[in-house]
Formats: sequence, C-alpha cells, structure tokens
Amino acid sequence: AQSVTQLDSQVPVFEEAPVELRCNYSSSVSVYLFWYVQYPNQGLQLLLKYLSGSTLVKGINGFEAEFNKSQTSFHLRKPSVHISDTAEYFCAVSDQSTGGFKTIFGAGTRLFVKA
Amino acid sequence: DTEVTQTPKHLVMGMTNKKSLKCEQHMGHRAMYWYKQKAKKPPELMFVYSYEKLSINESVPSRFSPECPNSSLLNLHLHALQPEDSALYLCASSPMGGGSETQYFGPGTRLLVL
Repeated sequence: AQSVTQLDSQVPVFEEAPVELRCNYSSSVSVYLFWYVQYPNQGLQLLLKYLSGSTLVKGINGFEAEFNKSQTSFHLRKPSVHISDTAEYFCAVSDQSTGGFKTIFGAGTRLFVKA
Repeated sequence: DTEVTQTPKHLVMGMTNKKSLKCEQHMGHRAMYWYKQKAKKPPELMFVYSYEKLSINESVPSRFSPECPNSSLLNLHLHALQPEDSALYLCASSPMGGGSETQYFGPGTRLLVL
C-alpha cells in the first residue's frame, strides 16, 4: 500500500518569507500525488497535483511543488507567504485497492504565518 | 458549481439516538466519499460509492450506515454511537472515482456524541 510522510508537524514562518513543506512518498511504479489545504473550520481544497510529465507543478495561490522520483519527494513551496496562508496542509497519494482508488493522506503540516 | 454541501453543520447526539448526515453535489460526479477527521489528524476514509454502489468500506463499525439514494446525494446514518465517534465528518465527490481525480470536499459536519 502507498503511504506519505510529512516531515514537519508545524512550520512557523514570517509573512513574506519563503516556505517549504516537505513530503516523502513510498516508492511505486507510478504514483499520483496531491497537496490539499484545510483552512480552519473548512473542508479540504486541492492546491495542486502531479500525475505525469513536468516535474514542476504549479497550483493555486502561488504554490508549486516538485516531483523528485529519485528522492521519492514532493515538497511544496511558496516564495512569499501571506497571513492568509495559515492553514493545515496535507500531502496525499492515490492508492489502488480492491473496489477502486483510495486517497491516503499524510499527517499534515500546520503552517503558521506570523506578522 | 464546484460546491459540495453538508447538513447539518453541527450535531450533538446521545448514545441511544439515531441521526443522519446529508451530503449533496450537483457537479455530475459519480463517486462520493465519507471521511472521518479527528482533531489535529488527517481525514480517514470510511466509505466510497461509485455509480451509486458501495465500492469501498474501510471496515467501519455497523453503527455507521451509508446510503446513496441517487448520484447527487449521500447519507450517513448514525445509530448507537460512542463518544469516541465524535469528529468532523467530511463528504467529498470526484468525477468517476479514478486515482488521478481531484476530490471536492464539503465543509463537514462536526459531531459530538455525549
């Protein structure tokens, strides 16, 4: 079964500073990877996803992620964060099982942007 | 319209009550999901419906009973729950249930079992 590991449970950063949220996945022949964001008291929203092709994926709100097959990583980056980026970020992988596909989420990284 | 709606927003129930959670989407999606999310934890998959048929049940206790009356609606019937079932219950949908698809999440129902 697929799995993802988010290496940081919390990341505090000052406003307008760059940020990187780290994610490693278990190796597989092919993999679909996702980053979702959850703002307080809300559901999850897709930031970006990697399916195939270019290893640099651009998403919404100025976020991007790089798929690195040799390091089995899919780190999320933003060059300049805003207070409004404070949220929980989940890396996820799609896993095929009997009956269909399941999304397996990492433990999450809480990004806290300080003024 | 990329919205998934969930009702109620909040629910408090006793261990002997019967209640239902409702989820609705009008995006024409044919796959719908129930997740359970405890505080400061990731969502955990409970059930997947594909074309109105239950395709995945993650060994969820029978006190949770899902139902998909049509392609736009998903219900979760609750009976004889335990306090440890208190959590945020999230519904999601995707076009066909494929592994590459984006899931669209509702805001959740926050459940408290007393």
